[in-house]
Amino acid sequence: GESVGLHLPTLSVQEGDNSIINCAYSNSASDYFIWYKQESGKGPQFIIDIRSNMDKRQGQRVTVLLNKTVKHLSLQIAATQPGDSAVYFCAEEHSGAGSYQLTFGKGTKLSVIP
Amino acid sequence: DSGVTQTPKHLITATGQRVTLRCSPRSGDLSVYWYQQSLDQGLQFLIQYYNGEERAKGNILERFSAQQFPDLHSELNLSSLELGDSALYFCASSARTGNNEQFFGPGTRLTVL
Repeated sequence: GESVGLHLPTLSVQEGDNSIINCAYSNSASDYFIWYKQESGKGPQFIIDIRSNMDKRQGQRVTVLLNKTVKHLSLQIAATQPGDSAVYFCAEEHSGAGSYQLTFGKGTKLSVIP
Repeated sequence: DSGVTQTPKHLITATGQRVTLRCSPRSGDLSVYWYQQSLDQGLQFLIQYYNGEERAKGNILERFSAQQFPDLHSELNLSSLELGDSALYFCASSARTGNNEQFFGPGTRLTVL
């Protein structure tokens, strides 16, 4: 596979355990946040999103928490599976003059130990 | 499969050359975004088009340009290529602009020798 970063933070988790991936965002004016999963050799894949008027959102096996006070976002994956092994990116969207830009974090590599 | 297609999958060229990357968005999506992913810079937003018009510009070099055609497909043109332009280039599309999910294509891997 291909590497998307030489110095990515890495999280190793035992299969079946819960995973928590953290992200600090930079712009207090950002009002939309997304988590993406990128498997080796593929494009980023949407996992879950959250708007700034919420502090928690749940999907299937995933939960996103947003703390606007400290500009922190986290992704929780329940019962982590080998197929969850990938690089996870948080992204923040901020708007200005009618345009919207996504700024991606550096990513965290999740390795699931069978 | 996201529904976004990109061609070519791989491209190898020499410094100084010019290449064109092509993207077809998901059916019905009006917005197209281009991103560059390199080992040292991560995913960087380059430019966005919405229904044929440029909507937002990110860290796009002057040597790079893009356009979106009436059928909504988009092309990213990279000229006077340098070694440092070697990267993965992703196209993404969304239904509208802002506050909505972007669907990414499989990417084009550009290698400049």
